[in-house]
Amino acid sequence: EDQVTQSPEALRLQEGESSSLNCSYTVSGLRGLFWYRQDPGKGPEFLFTLYSAGEEKEKERLKATLTKKESFLHITAPKPEDSATYLCAVQGGGGGATNKLIFGTGTLLAVQP
Amino acid sequence: GAGVSQSPSNKVTEKGKDVELRCDPISGHTALYWYRQSLGQGLEFLIYFQGNSAPDKSGLPSDRFSAERTGGSVSTLTIQRTQQEDSAVYLCASSLGGQGTIYFGEGSWLTVV
Repeated sequence: EDQVTQSPEALRLQEGESSSLNCSYTVSGLRGLFWYRQDPGKGPEFLFTLYSAGEEKEKERLKATLTKKESFLHITAPKPEDSATYLCAVQGGGGGATNKLIFGTGTLLAVQP
Repeated sequence: GAGVSQSPSNKVTEKGKDVELRCDPISGHTALYWYRQSLGQGLEFLIYFQGNSAPDKSGLPSDRFSAERTGGSVSTLTIQRTQQEDSAVYLCASSLGGQGTIYFGEGSWLTVV
């Protein structure tokens, strides 16, 4: 069964203090690993898709990396506006016609000024 | 519209009543997904549509839940005889085919009293 585990559950950083969020996964035939950002009361906002081990993508202060077992979301010099819940999800190719994403429970990031 | 549109944004209903939640996907997107997010929980997959067909209904929690999609566009999620445990945010998402980026709406907040 496809599974996604995110850690830590919550992270508090000072503005400018860089850190990383972890997403560990087990999946039958990874077709894509997705990162989303979710603000309170809002739907998830797409950040990145990674398709193969070794791939990296960057957007402003965020950089996502992928290995065969996990993905990291690195946050460099965060600002208070980066505060949100960050969700990781996998799309597996284990057969069948589904294209559903399996989500982790997220990391709640708080960046203090 | 530019994004995935959901209505109503908020719904309070009495236990035992039926509710309908509507999703209008991004124009041209053939794949449509319904997820449920309970307070403090991750996103739980409900159902996936490709066109008007639903090849994956594996996440529907009981036979009180059903969904349809017409014209390859708008989808309706129906919950019959609502229970308090149905209280959650119901999120709709769409993608261009099964491989594309999956974009979410803002969700419909359902409260059963």
